[in-house]
Amino acid sequence: NAGVTQTPKFQVLKTGQSMTLQCAQDMNHNSMYWYRQDPGMGLRLIYYSASEGTTDKGEVPNGYNVSRLNKREFSLRLESAAPSQTSVYFCASSGAGAESYEQYFGPGTRLTVT
Amino acid sequence: LAKTTQPISMDSYEGQEVNITCSHNNIATNDYITWYQQFPSQGPRFIIQGYKTKVTNEVASLFIPADRKSSTLSLPRVSLSDTAVYYCLVGGQYNFNKFYFGSGTKLNVKP
Repeated sequence: NAGVTQTPKFQVLKTGQSMTLQCAQDMNHNSMYWYRQDPGMGLRLIYYSASEGTTDKGEVPNGYNVSRLNKREFSLRLESAAPSQTSVYFCASSGAGAESYEQYFGPGTRLTVT
Repeated sequence: LAKTTQPISMDSYEGQEVNITCSHNNIATNDYITWYQQFPSQGPRFIIQGYKTKVTNEVASLFIPADRKSSTLSLPRVSLSDTAVYYCLVGGQYNFNKFYFGSGTKLNVKP
């Protein structure tokens, strides 16, 4: 099993450009998450999807949109990138309900917005 | 969500036992305590979870006093490879959709 995969690994954008970060999991998990981690900081939840077909805002959703394409895939879109969105983005997945505390993380996408 | 307070950093030497304490004064009755580990340039990894008293697995032990306002992660006989950031999280069993990671504790293990 590959676990949680993310593409791309690195990306440089200019202010105002758009892009989509892709995430896929092969663990048959119901829940998926997107986090950002700024240098020297902990992770902050952007959006999550408790199950296929549902999404909800986390702590820092402004400037982002998400799509739960199917049970395996959860994408994060930046419509108009800003330098403040320079960060490392992690996707994670977990079981539902009582199993949601054990999240499995992908390797991250390092995004720089100039 | 109950927020947590941890030391910013800790130093230890190989072979020592390390105890990292987390304060969570506002923990709710149905909240669980979970610890994650993060190496540089990697996503966090689940270590252990508990509700009360003591939980032990092959990696660590978690001690939770009766009032549950704090918890202690114990790492036995650390090695250089245990150098990482350790996060303490508190959340309900059914709402870990809203994890709060905080800044964590940077553990530096020296030879």
